[in-house]
Amino acid sequence: DTGVSQDPRHKITKRGQNVTFRCDPISEHNRLYWYRQTLGQGPEFLTYFQNEAQLEKSRLLSDRFSAERPKGSFSTLEIQRTEQGDSAMYLCASSLAGTQNEQFFGPGTRLTVL
Amino acid sequence: AQSVTQLGSHVSVSEGALVLLRCNYSSSVPPYLFWYVQYPNQGLQLLLKYTTGATLVKGINGFEAEFKKSETSFHLTKPSAHMSDAAEYFCAVSGSGGSYIPTFGRGTSLIVHP
Repeated sequence: DTGVSQDPRHKITKRGQNVTFRCDPISEHNRLYWYRQTLGQGPEFLTYFQNEAQLEKSRLLSDRFSAERPKGSFSTLEIQRTEQGDSAMYLCASSLAGTQNEQFFGPGTRLTVL
Repeated sequence: AQSVTQLGSHVSVSEGALVLLRCNYSSSVPPYLFWYVQYPNQGLQLLLKYTTGATLVKGINGFEAEFKKSETSFHLTKPSAHMSDAAEYFCAVSGSGGSYIPTFGRGTSLIVHP
């Protein structure tokens, strides 16, 4: 069991640039979640997939954010035209459906927008 | 709607002392309740969860929590703190409104003094 992996672990970008993050869930997990965590706060839900279908999106997910899970395995989160307020830790988690939502988290990608 | 309140952003204890981290929740339906731990620059790790059944839940690393419906609480305890317990702890609730997306508290930083 390799756990949930995320790439890159750190990303520094300039305001206005686009960035893309990748998440590889635990292989047998059919649900995948994206969260954003800022300093001193708990994770805030962004969106989740069951297999390849994006089932729920938070109002936090502005139109500059898009997430995909094309084959129901790995997922990408893209932020277009980054703003300084996007600086945060982006966490990915995965779970099996029907397990009372026990989620397994990856190590996160820390984004810094200059 | 569901929400979580963690009382105290920081809790400081001496090594060997009792650890008590407080969590109160709000949920319109019987909740699922979770405690996660986060070490610096890492993702979240599940400590324990309550879904149904026994209200005293035992988790990893000697932690336990008790679900008290009348008090809408799910406090985390450990009889004797170790230096390695120093970390950020998050309480989460899910289940309200048919969604199993957890809502996290703001976290409590546990500081352990030698």
